[in-house]
Amino acid sequence: NAGVTQTPKFQVLKTGQSMTLQCAQDMNHNSMYWYRQDPGMGLRLIYYSASEGTTDKGEVPNGYNVSRLNKREFSLRLESAAPSQTSVYFCASATGVSNQPQHFGDGTRLSIL
Amino acid sequence: EDQVTQSPEALRLQEGESSSLNCSYTVSGLRGLFWYRQDPGKGPEFLFTLYSAGEEKEKERLKATLTKKESFLHITAPKPEDSATYLCAVPGYSSASKIIFGSGTRLSIRP
Repeated sequence: NAGVTQTPKFQVLKTGQSMTLQCAQDMNHNSMYWYRQDPGMGLRLIYYSASEGTTDKGEVPNGYNVSRLNKREFSLRLESAAPSQTSVYFCASATGVSNQPQHFGDGTRLSIL
Repeated sequence: EDQVTQSPEALRLQEGESSSLNCSYTVSGLRGLFWYRQDPGKGPEFLFTLYSAGEEKEKERLKATLTKKESFLHITAPKPEDSATYLCAVPGYSSASKIIFGSGTRLSIRP
């Protein structure tokens, strides 16, 4: 029962470096999401993809880009990492029906020095 | 504006001491309310969905209830393994694809 798989689990970057966070789900879900979680801030939506081929901005999209590679995979890219992007990043997926819950991966812990 | 507020922020209980966590929401046309459990270093784990006022769901020592303005997560005779952060969330009105999360209640159960 893999569910939502995120890679890597941990990463340390220097300011200005780029990287891509990977997410894959095996539940045949239509919708996928990227969140960041910071102490005292809760979960904040960065980008989401309601269905394959579409992406939309969430609450905090600046400094990030996303790609919905196919129905299973949704990646998050930091083009030029900044210390303010130090956070725990969670990917989630859902059926796409509004009254159905999201299911989360275990996160990527990212530190920007 | 759609909003979810949880209280208290943190709760420390003795093992066996029952209590309740609160989740109040403001959203037009509630499509459901979700409860999650999050352990340190892990992603949120889905617990319950409640769809209409008066509905109740149970799982082991947890019972979730829903009114028109709030939801409660009742914890009966908790054990140390119930220690976690509990999150509630609702689908947004403006975009059904977006789910609005509360900031969570950090529950600690002392043996």
